[in-house]
Amino acid sequence: GENVEQHPSTLSVQEGDSAVIKCTYSDSASNYFPWYKQELGKRPQLIIDIRSNVGEKKDQRIAVTLNKTAKHFSLHITETQPEDSAVYFCAASDKLVFGAGTILRVKS
Amino acid sequence: EAQVTQNPRYLITVTGKKLTVTCSQNMNHEYMSWYRQDPGLGLRQIYYSMNVEVTDKGDVPEGYKVSRKEKRNFPLILESPSPNQTSLYFCASSSGTVYEQYFGPGTRLTVT
Repeated sequence: GENVEQHPSTLSVQEGDSAVIKCTYSDSASNYFPWYKQELGKRPQLIIDIRSNVGEKKDQRIAVTLNKTAKHFSLHITETQPEDSAVYFCAASDKLVFGAGTILRVKS
Repeated sequence: EAQVTQNPRYLITVTGKKLTVTCSQNMNHEYMSWYRQDPGLGLRQIYYSMNVEVTDKGDVPEGYKVSRKEKRNFPLILESPSPNQTSLYFCASSSGTVYEQYFGPGTRLTVT
């Protein structure tokens, strides 16, 4: 089955800096890669997703890149703000196997 | 308002006492699933359902049961809870696995 590894487990950045979270997956048949954000005490919510027919997708300050050959995908957040502080989860495949999560702290 | 609801939100119980966590969605979604969230382990799928009367095991189904008698409801049943089932549980629904999952507010379960 699919296995998803996510790094780093925690990430601290200064407000205004960029943050990058990386995930690798094992099943080359996986073709859907969403990212979820979970604020403290709240439910996970989708922030961006990418399908295997594209290499990059952008939505304002958030972008996701996908390298199918290397089987990894990354979340990029530019100009980070305190409200970006949360836990971020990647997932892969149609069975939605999630990574272990990254705690992002944006220091103001 | 489109939403997924779960009840109860918090539950403290004792080992062996059967319990049910309800989940309901009003978006006419065919796909529903249950996850448990534990520190450092992310979201692990317990069971999922592709449609009414169609359910299947996820990655960590041991000790859990589900049923899908109606499209909108997908209850999670713990027949004999044990302390290792202490966790935060999320129900989710969507149009399918490769679409946005809408999560419920979560149920924090403690088994003593």
